[in-house]
Amino acid sequence: AQTVTQSQPEMSVQEAETVTLSCTYDTSESDYYLFWYKQPPSRQMILVIRQEAYKQQNATENRFSVNFQKAAKSFSLKISDSQLGDAAMYFCAYRRGGGSEKLVFGKGTKLTVNP
Amino acid sequence: DADVTQTPRNRITKTGKRIMLECSQTKGHDRMYWYRQDPGLGLRLIYYSFDVKDINKGEISDGYSVSRQAQAKFSLSLESAIPNQTALYFCATSDLPPRAGDKYFGPGTRLTVT
Repeated sequence: AQTVTQSQPEMSVQEAETVTLSCTYDTSESDYYLFWYKQPPSRQMILVIRQEAYKQQNATENRFSVNFQKAAKSFSLKISDSQLGDAAMYFCAYRRGGGSEKLVFGKGTKLTVNP
Repeated sequence: DADVTQTPRNRITKTGKRIMLECSQTKGHDRMYWYRQDPGLGLRLIYYSFDVKDINKGEISDGYSVSRQAQAKFSLSLESAIPNQTALYFCATSDLPPRAGDKYFGPGTRLTVT
């Protein structure tokens, strides 16, 4: 069974600095997708970034980028120029390809941004 | 207006009561989902629907039922609520593959069963 592990329950960063959140996953599949979701205090889950396993290039969305290491099964999220609004729970998630509907979530990392 | 709305936002009910959580979306997506979030456990899939006539069980469907009244509406029912169903419930939608993993979530319903 696929599993997603976020080893950092909590992280903190100074405003305008850079922080990296870690995620590892376990799968025997070759076709899959990885995601980072953000859950601010408002509770709503918001998709931050997506990575297709077949793509070698790391995904980037503005200040958010990932370091996808397929062989190591690692998928970290880097937040550059951190802003107060980045404070949230961040969940790493995995979805097998081939039409699977199951989205496997990690347990989350709580990010605090200090002014 | 929000693309995915849920009602109610918060609900306290008693053991044994029937309760319905409602979800509506304006994204025009065919696929809709119900998830449950518990502290330390992340999100788990309860039910999902690909269209009005296609309902599927997720990983934790026992004790729940759903109804897809229209493309835009997907409701979750607890026929006889029990305390361990206390959780945060999310409705979500998604587009067709290969973007099916991109879930658009509602604001969540916090349910407490006493």
